[in-house]
Amino acid sequence: QQQVKQSPQSLIVQKGGISIINCAYENTAFDYFPWYQQFPGKGPALLIAIRPDVSEKKEGRFTISFNKSAKQFSLHIMDSQPGDSATYFCAARVGNNNDMRFGAGTRLTVKP
Amino acid sequence: NAGVMQNPRHLVRRRGQEARLRCSPMKGHSHVYWYRQLPEEGLKFMVYLQKENIIDESGMPKERFSAEFPKEGPSILRIQQVVRGDSAAYFCASSPKRGTDTQYFGPGTRLTVL
Repeated sequence: QQQVKQSPQSLIVQKGGISIINCAYENTAFDYFPWYQQFPGKGPALLIAIRPDVSEKKEGRFTISFNKSAKQFSLHIMDSQPGDSATYFCAARVGNNNDMRFGAGTRLTVKP
Repeated sequence: NAGVMQNPRHLVRRRGQEARLRCSPMKGHSHVYWYRQLPEEGLKFMVYLQKENIIDESGMPKERFSAEFPKEGPSILRIQQVVRGDSAAYFCASSPKRGTDTQYFGPGTRLTVL
């Protein structure tokens, strides 16, 4: 049972554009929502994360928007660069168990 | 400070053989998590371990798969009598304590079953 649904599966953006990736969840017990970036042949690396008590978090060109009532959160990459081309995963965690539930991933390609 | 280390990076096994995947967490981390990633899919949680204890194995297949994290040495994910469907990338992550937000991932072991 997939607990975190991610879309789109793939995304192509021109350099300088905005990349938007969306995730939706069902379990209201989730209390931590990270985004991971994964390059080919590498393990996922934490990019940015948010807790449900805030609606937005920004770090550099990366912003998470969180809508608790809709049970949705999204990643926005401003001024997208070719170096941002990677697979992005959203995830959600329940309490202190630390086991993450991951979305299926979005393969982002930023064209020069 | 070395990150999470996994070895081997690539492992090829024939059907019916055993696969042993090793994970050394970051220094000072006593919590280890194993995930499986199938092609074009996200990571699926398998098991969460502390030193000498399995905390949550709800994502582990009931048969052929086992995991341990001994007092000394790396965490081991063991797959007995491998089948083609076991071919995947297996990632481990570590964190310093329970309830810590960030998990640090290793580079993964890519298992191919012929």
